[in-house]
Amino acid sequence: AQKVTQAQTEISVVEKEDVTLDCVYETRDTTYYLFWYKQPPSGELVFLIRRNSFDEQNEISGRYSWNFQKSTSSFNFTITASQVVDSAVYFCALSERWTSGGYNKLIFGAGTRLAVHP
Amino acid sequence: DTAVSQTPKYLVTQMGNDKSIKCEQNLGHDTMYWYKQDSKKFLKIMFSYNNKELIINETVPNRFSPKSPDKAHLNLHINSLELGDSAVYFCASSLLGQGRANEQFFGPGTRLTVL
Repeated sequence: AQKVTQAQTEISVVEKEDVTLDCVYETRDTTYYLFWYKQPPSGELVFLIRRNSFDEQNEISGRYSWNFQKSTSSFNFTITASQVVDSAVYFCALSERWTSGGYNKLIFGAGTRLAVHP
Repeated sequence: DTAVSQTPKYLVTQMGNDKSIKCEQNLGHDTMYWYKQDSKKFLKIMFSYNNKELIINETVPNRFSPKSPDKAHLNLHINSLELGDSAVYFCASSLLGQGRANEQFFGPGTRLTVL
């Protein structure tokens, strides 16, 4: 069963618009971690944020903000006043405890391609 | 300054050949990974090594054999390449972190094309 769902395959916005990328996850663990990664057109994967399941405080970093809601199993990502440089594929990922006791096995969603037009 | 490096960046080869991709990290991490990203951008973990020991081995054909000579290097050897192996392969590294998940740092990727 897919454990991380990014229902939005592609989003297209005009510069300066706000945009929210949705991420819904599924897990039976009480302790788990959620991540967002960015993959710009150049292809590399850039770490954006990590959140553990016990910390529901929302986080803001410049124009980026994240809304973690355990009640709805969602970890959404908002870009305020989008810019052309934000154009990329954004991946949400889940890391839950697995057999060796570690949390290092990342399960990625399918990604959302964001296109920001001038 | 490169944190996680991979060679080569591009690899074009014929079906049936054997090829290797090399990965090195200079972050002092103890855990390294191989991921495969298919043509639809879907990312899936293949292997993970912690201090040269295999700790994650997903359902990957045994034509794929990772090798970790030391904790800073993780190479991927692929035998008898098939068309379906065409993808971008990413190496990553992190600290293992007992009881927590640390962020993984990714290499630039190796685009493998099998003709």
